[in-house]
Amino acid sequence: QKEVEQDPGPLSVPEGAIVSLNCTYSNSAFQYFMWYRQYSRKGPELLMYTYSSGNKEDGRFTAQVDKSSKYISLFIRDSQPSDSATYLCAMSGANFGNEKLTFGTGTRLTIIP
Amino acid sequence: EPEVTQTPSHQVTQMGQEVILRCVPISNHLYFYWYRQILGQKVEFLVSFYNNEISEKSEIFDDQFSVERPDGSNFTLKIRSTKLEDSAMYFCASSLDRRSPKTQYFGPGTRLLVL
Repeated sequence: QKEVEQDPGPLSVPEGAIVSLNCTYSNSAFQYFMWYRQYSRKGPELLMYTYSSGNKEDGRFTAQVDKSSKYISLFIRDSQPSDSATYLCAMSGANFGNEKLTFGTGTRLTIIP
Repeated sequence: EPEVTQTPSHQVTQMGQEVILRCVPISNHLYFYWYRQILGQKVEFLVSFYNNEISEKSEIFDDQFSVERPDGSNFTLKIRSTKLEDSAMYFCASSLDRRSPKTQYFGPGTRLLVL
């Protein structure tokens, strides 16, 4: 079983729709959960990070973590064409700093105007 | 806004040649990383570096790879004898100290092509 699984998509939704992106994981040691956005041939850009379980909201973005189910989600409200990108989930353990990120494969999202 | 920078943006080399990929992390960051992404695959961890030492390395980071912080600003990844399978996008990342754990900021990457 892969440590982090993410549906690669592609996912196409109309502008204004709510987008739901998800990852599952198997390593119980993961405590930090991140979502990165990556445009074509660019570096990953941190969108949000969450520690342990719960929800976190930032503008149109909401990150959810359910550690009991080993399941994390990113919701994008009022999606815009500029949100079209690949979204990567990433996770790490609890040691401060010096913790490698384990990434999902990324979901390619296209918002259709 | 501070950012991680990487040079060169593209590098083409012949198999067996040495390459050095350069990174300038965000100035007040203390933790440094290299990741790679083979085309169409996921981003994979290579190595982490703190206090002038390797903290952790993956199975990918074999004896052909080395990292160095030669001065107070640069962080380099050297591949001694490149192989075809080293062709990938290489990302440098840096992280702030313990006040903001787990927030790694990535550079734009160096695309390495080994012929």
